[in-house]
Formats: sequence, C-alpha cells, structure tokens
Amino acid sequence: VQLQESGPGLVKPSETLSLTCTVSGYSISSGYFWGWLRQPPGKGLEWIGTIYHGGSTYYNPSLKSRVTISMDTSKNQFSLKVISVTAADTAVYYCATGVMTLAASPGPFNFWGQGTLVTVSS
Amino acid sequence: DIVMTQSPDSLAVSLGERATINCKSSQTILYSSSNKNYLAWYQQKPGQPPKLLIYWASTRESGVPDRFSGSGSGTDFTLTISSLQAEDVALYYCQQYYTTASGFGQGTRVEIK
Repeated sequence: VQLQESGPGLVKPSETLSLTCTVSGYSISSGYFWGWLRQPPGKGLEWIGTIYHGGSTYYNPSLKSRVTISMDTSKNQFSLKVISVTAADTAVYYCATGVMTLAASPGPFNFWGQGTLVTVSS
Repeated sequence: DIVMTQSPDSLAVSLGERATINCKSSQTILYSSSNKNYLAWYQQKPGQPPKLLIYWASTRESGVPDRFSGSGSGTDFTLTISSLQAEDVALYYCQQYYTTASGFGQGTRVEIK
C-alpha cells in the first residue's frame, strides 16, 4: 500500500485547509481504516481522525468541530478539511492506514504517506 | 481520553549498549476478552514519517531487527533496543489504539553517547 498527500502548502488564517490522500496498491473500500495525523514543527504526533472503509468517521475531540474526513472510492482517495485555521494548525500532515482488529476497531498505522507541510500564515 | 506518557524525554546510550524507553497509559489498554494490549511503538527519523516497529505491545512488524523488543501489560510498557546501532538514532513514540480516539506519547529521543 502506498499513500501520497497533496494540497496547498500555505493557507491563510481563518480559511479552510484541504488535503487529499491518494492510495495505490489497495482499494480504500476494502477492509482497512484510513487516518489523518499531524506533527507541528519540532513537536509530537497528533491523531486528527479516521474513516473506516464503510464510511464511518471518528475525530479527535479537540478538533471535532473543525474537521471533516471523507472518501472518494471512484478515485481511491480520502480527504481532510479543517475550517477556521490558525497558526496552531501549522504542521506536517500525514495520511496513514492499517488493518482493522478482530474487534472491528482500528489497529496501529502500518503504512504512512511521506507527509506534507502546511503553513498557516497571511 | 487515555493519556500516554513516555520516559525519559531523551537518552544517550553508547553504541552496542541497551536502550530502554518506558510508556505509561492513564488507564488499562489490555482488552480482557482477547488478552491483547492495544499498544504500538514507532520509530521516526528526521524528515521521515513514523515507522511501525511493534504492535500488540510485543509483536515485531515484519522486517524490524530483533534487537527491538516490546514488553509490558495493562498500563506499563517498555521498548528495548538490546544493542544500540548508529541507525537507531531517532525519535520513538508509543501509541494506544484501545480507543477509537487514538493517542501518542510525547516521544523519546535516542542519541549516541
């Protein structure tokens, strides 16, 4: 499985950040889960949210009011939107995936994209 | 929310020596019905995405050298590098996937002494 993030590298404050993850080597409508994570410069990893292959979504409570994750099975892509961004949203954004557990919950993230830096600045 | 806390924040170890990183969860991440700990370890080198090393607290991902091992259960976990190599210099993160709202530790930086 290979993943590649794409989208603008610069977003103005109060605007919307939009990123797409293009998946190759696996159909996103099959049994994996698909997630977005971010890492501010020099800081640790933060889980943003996850979408299951069936379309159910789960978000970090601290970001839930501003985040939407969706999938386009015809293009084998899934996307992230973050509204009303501020400088605190400046980070490297990763898309990642992994296998569902037998308990039908997400497992660890086995595969990652290379990441894309998004800077929020006027 | 389950909070993951790693210790130490950084450590320096001589080549060939053992490196030990601890990770503590604020509540148990042992799923009793399966007796599995929902804990993973990742390695991140500069400019690269994280790489999965260990899952289920102690299962090595395919291709990961056997000098990396994971242990622990319930709320306390350890990642051990038995004989530190130069290529092991990196940041290491633990992650709980017990809840859908996944969370990571703050990271531990491993350097050569």
